[in-house]
Amino acid sequence: QQQVKQSPQSLIVQKGGIPIINCAYENTAFDYFPWYQQFPGKGPALLIAIRPDVSEKKEGRFTISFNKSAKQFSLHIMDSQPGDSATYFCAASIRAGSNYQLIWGAGTKLIIKP
Amino acid sequence: DSGVTQTPKHLITATGQRVTLRCSPRSGDLSVYWYQQSLDQGLQFLIQYYNGEERAKGNILERFSAQQFPDLHSELNLSSLELGDSALYFCASSAAARSYNEQFFGPGTRLTVL
Repeated sequence: QQQVKQSPQSLIVQKGGIPIINCAYENTAFDYFPWYQQFPGKGPALLIAIRPDVSEKKEGRFTISFNKSAKQFSLHIMDSQPGDSATYFCAASIRAGSNYQLIWGAGTKLIIKP
Repeated sequence: DSGVTQTPKHLITATGQRVTLRCSPRSGDLSVYWYQQSLDQGLQFLIQYYNGEERAKGNILERFSAQQFPDLHSELNLSSLELGDSALYFCASSAAARSYNEQFFGPGTRLTVL
């Protein structure tokens, strides 16, 4: 199964709260899990990424938690700010022949209320 | 600025017409990806080229075609346009089609079909 299921579809959080976005996958061949952030009218940009041999990765206020046995990973945003309002995509990389492809989640529209 | 350029930024055309979208990847990147994003929707992968050769196909309609030229720029051709083709079209590039391949997205072309 080459799908990445992302939830929730949308999320509204008060400033300072900790929004959590979840992703799940079935294929254990996935070997790289990035998160992309997209502001309205812009292209997505890599935010943070993790490999399956690591359970957690932090970059500033953004943390990925990875649960290999459950085949789930999540993005947490600490001390969220209105400027974090964006659409967030999780993805997973898989080898397909001599090529590597990214399989994308459906996206989560996050709104941080002041 | 990701280093990926896309032209034009906006395109308005009529049903039944044909348009060409252009993408210049980051300097040195060999892989180019095309994505379609309809209003408030996720990223739909269309097609990937690597060093001039087609590498992967996603949900690309037969009315759409793409190519990558020797100078590595790419063009996406959309023909017999329908109202439902109105969307943001993103190009992304990566250094190679290997694992951990961060994709760098351009600013997108907004296509409106009237």
